Amino acid sequence: EVQLLESGGGLAQPGGSLRLSCAAPGITLSDYALSWVRQAPGKGLEWVSTVGTTGADTFYPDSVRGRFAISRDNSKGTLSLQMDSLRADDTAVYYCAKGRGASFPDSRTFDYWGQGILVTVSS
Amino acid sequence: IQLTQSPSSLSASIGDRVTITCRASQGISSYLAWYQQKPGRAPNLLIYSASILQTGVPSRFSGSGSGTDFTLTISSLQPEDFATYYCQQVNRFPLTFGGGTKVEIK
Repeated sequence: EVQLLESGGGLAQPGGSLRLSCAAPGITLSDYALSWVRQAPGKGLEWVSTVGTTGADTFYPDSVRGRFAISRDNSKGTLSLQMDSLRADDTAVYYCAKGRGASFPDSRTFDYWGQGILVTVSS
Repeated sequence: IQLTQSPSSLSASIGDRVTITCRASQGISSYLAWYQQKPGRAPNLLIYSASILQTGVPSRFSGSGSGTDFTLTISSLQPEDFATYYCQQVNRFPLTFGGGTKVEIK
């Protein structure tokens, strides 16, 4: 059974930083694109970022581009999200998600998700 | 690409046939997925490429459509199906989700 385990959430002040991590013991992460998706309290799902299998290709929506950076370490089997210049509207549960495959369209369809980790941005 | 789901919520009884629609603001071929989410849980992939059932998902779930109009159907609603359902387009970045449809017990 594939498991994705997020860590690193918590409380940050506006303008501050947090780094999220996601580990996937037992699977070869390098075979799949990986993503982050968030969900603000009581709201719907919002895609945050995607990274290709090698880490060279990264994608962001306008809402986080320039503030967030996704990366992966295939040797360690980990995914990260560096979040800078945090704002109150970044408050959400953040999920790491595994693509069904390495290339379009499977890379953008999420077949396994982590349990989610809460990020709260507040003074 | 904006995705508009309808209805935003519905009430149904066990055994009912339920249909949820998702309309894209521009054509996305068949590059659409459907997810189910229960309270406090991560989403679960049900359907991808508009009509392909994910492994392990019960056959009472089905998807159809292409271009701009898509449908998720539950042929006979079961107690475990009460949840919120989201469509997602994967045709181009930024990836987008519909606003969700909450299926409640009548």
